[in-house]
Amino acid sequence: DVKVTQSSRYLVKRTGEKVFLECVQDMDHENMFWYRQDPGLGLRLIYFSYDVKMKEKGDIPEGYSVSREKKERFSLILESASTNQTSMYLCASSLQDRGSLSEQYFGPGTRLTVT
Amino acid sequence: GQNIDQPTEMTATEGAIVQINCTYQTSGFNGLFWYQQHAGEAPTFLSYNVLDGLEEKGRFSSFLSRSKGYSYLLLKELQMKDSASYLCAVSLTGGGNKLTFGTGTQLKVEL
Repeated sequence: DVKVTQSSRYLVKRTGEKVFLECVQDMDHENMFWYRQDPGLGLRLIYFSYDVKMKEKGDIPEGYSVSREKKERFSLILESASTNQTSMYLCASSLQDRGSLSEQYFGPGTRLTVT
Repeated sequence: GQNIDQPTEMTATEGAIVQINCTYQTSGFNGLFWYQQHAGEAPTFLSYNVLDGLEEKGRFSSFLSRSKGYSYLLLKELQMKDSASYLCAVSLTGGGNKLTFGTGTQLKVEL
């Protein structure tokens, strides 16, 4: 079974702090994604990565950065946390597109509260 | 841009059949995915459609009409455990399996 794990289920940080959210997958997937999920807005893509050291902006990258130094690990960084970044953060991974679509596998999520 | 619409909430009775609709307006459509998400849990994959027609997986079926920009998820023999949010997501060409999600339909199954 594919397993995607995230470093914390719940996190509380103060405004201005630097926040690291870690995601690890164990199925050798090339693609990894970071989403945030908010009521009424659904899942929105923040950043994604096709390969090690590769990253591309999603729909809402402002205020975030990412790092992918190893294939299995994709980190989301909030350089200076703000209250509007309070949200559920979900990581996902999938195989590379090889002519057929591949589903994304999601981690359990990190509920981040910024006070 | 992309626009994906699905109803916010639906209620159905245990044992019944329910159809959750999803309409989309996108450029470069590649396929459409359905995910299930129970409260407080991660989304889990249900099915996807690339070509027009019906895909059946046990109690769950998904239909796609590319020309109409329309899909539905059909759940048969509803069970209480089917109470969850159902997410419609579109994959775009050249997107590297990137998905754009609708806001989800919260399904409540009642006795």
